[in-house]
Amino acid sequence: NAGVTQTPKFQVLKTGQSMTLQCAQDMNHNSMYWYRQDPGMGLRLIYYSASEGTTDKGEVPNGYNVSRLNKREFSLRLESAAPSQTSVYFCASSERFTTGTGLNQPQHFGDGTRLSIL
Amino acid sequence: SQQGEEDPQALSIQEGENATMNCSYKTSINNLQWYRQNSGRGLVHLILIRSNEREKHSGRLRVTLDTSKKSSSLLITASRAADTASYFCATDWGAQKLVFGQGTRLTINP
Repeated sequence: NAGVTQTPKFQVLKTGQSMTLQCAQDMNHNSMYWYRQDPGMGLRLIYYSASEGTTDKGEVPNGYNVSRLNKREFSLRLESAAPSQTSVYFCASSERFTTGTGLNQPQHFGDGTRLSIL
Repeated sequence: SQQGEEDPQALSIQEGENATMNCSYKTSINNLQWYRQNSGRGLVHLILIRSNEREKHSGRLRVTLDTSKKSSSLLITASRAADTASYFCATDWGAQKLVFGQGTRLTINP
């Protein structure tokens, strides 16, 4: 059982280049998330998709776009990479929350994409 | 923001000792979760505690929640070298999102 798979694991880009980070989950989860993690900091939410067909901005969406391709796949695109986007990017998935109970489902994470922008 | 704050930022103890990490948050929550992150890996869910619960156990883990103080603690008993990792608390942000703290780096010395 692979869980959440992210590709690529490492990438080096030049400023201004574009790229797409791929994420796929095999747990039949409804909700998917993209986070970035910078040194010494916790995770910050970039975008999320509560269910197939919907996407919403998180805490730090500027410079990114997402696509929920189907229930399994959720991609993150950098249109014009900047050095400030150097980070480790994590994708996660979870069962959909139950209305009125808050986010009461654990999130399952991939092992990340380490992205450097020169 | 709703972000949780962990304390201490780093903790180093001897194998076999207990490790306690604390998390404080700013506004009311429905649930609080704890995650572990080993070096170079993604986060792994440890335990979820609901706002109407005061204490929860899972193996060597004990989590407490004090909603009046807006704080939670994670206790790892009888620590092992394999417990070396960073530990994060995460709280609800609206109905569909989590906000993570900055984490506690735990080192278990043999």
